[in-house]
Amino acid sequence: DVKVTQSSRYLVKRTGEKVFLECVQDMDHENMFWYRQDPGLGLRLIYFSYDVKMKEKGDIPEGYSVSREKKERFSLILESASTNQTSMYLCASSSLGTGNYGYTFGSGTRLTVV
Amino acid sequence: EDQVTQSPEALRLQEGESSSLNCSYTVSGLRGLFWYRQDPGKGPEFLFTLYSAGEEKEKERLKATLTKKESFLHITAPKPEDSATYLCAVRHNDYKLSFGAGTTVTVRA
Repeated sequence: DVKVTQSSRYLVKRTGEKVFLECVQDMDHENMFWYRQDPGLGLRLIYFSYDVKMKEKGDIPEGYSVSREKKERFSLILESASTNQTSMYLCASSSLGTGNYGYTFGSGTRLTVV
Repeated sequence: EDQVTQSPEALRLQEGESSSLNCSYTVSGLRGLFWYRQDPGKGPEFLFTLYSAGEEKEKERLKATLTKKESFLHITAPKPEDSATYLCAVRHNDYKLSFGAGTTVTVRA
């Protein structure tokens, strides 16, 4: 069964901490994405990557950075966590051109910043 | 700017009471419209892809249709296990999807 795996389901971090969210896919997909999901706002794209070591800003990149050193792994970094970054974070992957299935999502990481 | 708007925000149904969810979009050069189902605390799961006006897809009690400006997700004789948030997304370039805010469906037994 193909999978996108996010390393943590729940995280609680303190304001100012550096936070790493990890995502691994086993489908050999070229594209990987990080979204955050908040009630009433839907899914908002933070960053995406269409190749190893490549990254592009999404709609809300401020306060975040990403790393893609290997094709299967895409990391989201909160440089200095703030309370307004409390959210559900979703990682997704897709083949080139998204194909017929759009994205395959991970189960999400619910991050609370206190 | 590309926009995807879903309505209603929430829908409460009695078991067996059929209804429809709406997804309207404004995008130049639509290259696919996607429907996903999301259960609480989980990531979205793929349901359907539609590419052209007039196209229809079915899966169990769900049927998705597409026109030039909107898509409908029809739920026929829903059961409590159909309770979920349903997300609509449009593809407008090779990599990215733009999502609507979703419709949360609650089906009571």
